[in-house]
Amino acid sequence: AQSVTQLDSQVPVFEEAPVELRCNYSSSVSVYLFWYVQYPNQGLQLLLKYLSGSTLVKGINGFEAEFNKSQTSFHLRKPSVHISDTAEYFCAVLGRGGSYIPTFGRGTSLIVHP
Amino acid sequence: NAGVTQTPKFQVLKTGQSMTLQCAQDMNHEYMSWYRQDPGMGLRLIHYSVGAGITDQGEVPNGYNVSRSTTEDFPLRLLSAAPSQTSVYFCASRGLAYNEQFFGPGTRLTVL
Repeated sequence: AQSVTQLDSQVPVFEEAPVELRCNYSSSVSVYLFWYVQYPNQGLQLLLKYLSGSTLVKGINGFEAEFNKSQTSFHLRKPSVHISDTAEYFCAVLGRGGSYIPTFGRGTSLIVHP
Repeated sequence: NAGVTQTPKFQVLKTGQSMTLQCAQDMNHEYMSWYRQDPGMGLRLIHYSVGAGITDQGEVPNGYNVSRSTTEDFPLRLLSAAPSQTSVYFCASRGLAYNEQFFGPGTRLTVL
């Protein structure tokens, strides 16, 4: 079984500032890792994913995340945020080889102020 | 491809009423799932299916039924609606060849 902890429920930040949204996971098997974004009143869409290879993963809208196996983390970063990045962000983990459905964290609300 | 579609977008029920939330996908995905989203609780898995005729319970299955008679459709039935079932419901699908899930736009349900 897997579990995901998103360490911050809410992250306020000013426009053009950098941001990091933290995600830690636990699993007894190797995993795939995902970040999803949910804009207000919409469904979730994939932001980026780590499957294998390079531990630095780039996604849409200038976001990137780094897989750290030793710290079991997959933090999401953006060097300069925009008002339009205001949304809910979910980290998810899927166990390799036999897991059907990913496990989601509780979400982090990113609030970008002008 | 329409992806994952959900109907209705909004629904208001009275306590004790029953209804079915519809979910369909046109990507021939094997795995389908239902989540509810409540403030501060993230996404909680209600039921899921790994193929036609095969379903299983998730984290919060009580008060909900599902069936999967075709690959495309995965309806969620509320047997006797309660105010605690007021929530936003999301359907998702995933294919064997993919690792990420594709989500529908959601159904916002209010039970009075």
